[in-house]
Amino acid sequence: KAGVTQTPRYLIKTRGQQVTLSCSPISGHRSVSWYQQTPGQGLQFLFEYFSETQRNKGNFPGRFSGRQFSNSRSEMNVSTLELGDSALYLCASSLGWGQSAPVHTFGSGTRLTVV
Amino acid sequence: AQSVTQLDSQVPVFEEAPVELRCNYSSSVSVYLFWYVQYPNQGLQLLLKYLSGSTLVKGINGFEAEFNKSQTSFHLRKPSVHISDTAEYFCAVSEGLNAGKSTFGDGTTLTVKP
Repeated sequence: KAGVTQTPRYLIKTRGQQVTLSCSPISGHRSVSWYQQTPGQGLQFLFEYFSETQRNKGNFPGRFSGRQFSNSRSEMNVSTLELGDSALYLCASSLGWGQSAPVHTFGSGTRLTVV
Repeated sequence: AQSVTQLDSQVPVFEEAPVELRCNYSSSVSVYLFWYVQYPNQGLQLLLKYLSGSTLVKGINGFEAEFNKSQTSFHLRKPSVHISDTAEYFCAVSEGLNAGKSTFGDGTTLTVKP
């Protein structure tokens, strides 16, 4: 079956702009989590969506937001971009319910560069 | 709050030698533990997971890990590494079922030399 698909793979934006990243989870997975990966901070949890509702949230400013659609696809948005937002943004999907631990299946990520 | 400490940021090793990547965690409740591998410019791939039961967990590519509750450790081992094992390895912990949130360590870069 198809894996987790993230688009676009690479993105260059200017400071102050906003950006939207997309993630399509594995079919049947209802949980989508987003992580930011940087050399200095490592992998940091942004938020998780399950059945169109934000279920968990990390410690990021309100400029970072997300949503999930009825088909479980998710988008994250970053407004008023700063240089420090340059990172690899990883999306991970999991079943999200029942006796299933959060065994993430990750996408290949979107590499965002802010100039 | 949960936290993960990977004790070595870089581990160089020769091909066919054994390797151990160390991971300690901190949590006030029962946890689920994971090891992921990341190759350059790619996402993370699950190597193995501990949910319950046997404390020795076997994963893909010949890796295994042992959960030690008293020492709050989950070290990753492989008896004989290959050049292709060169990658970054992440230990992760999750505190709850159904929660799509994991806390990751800072990663260990494994470099296998010929």
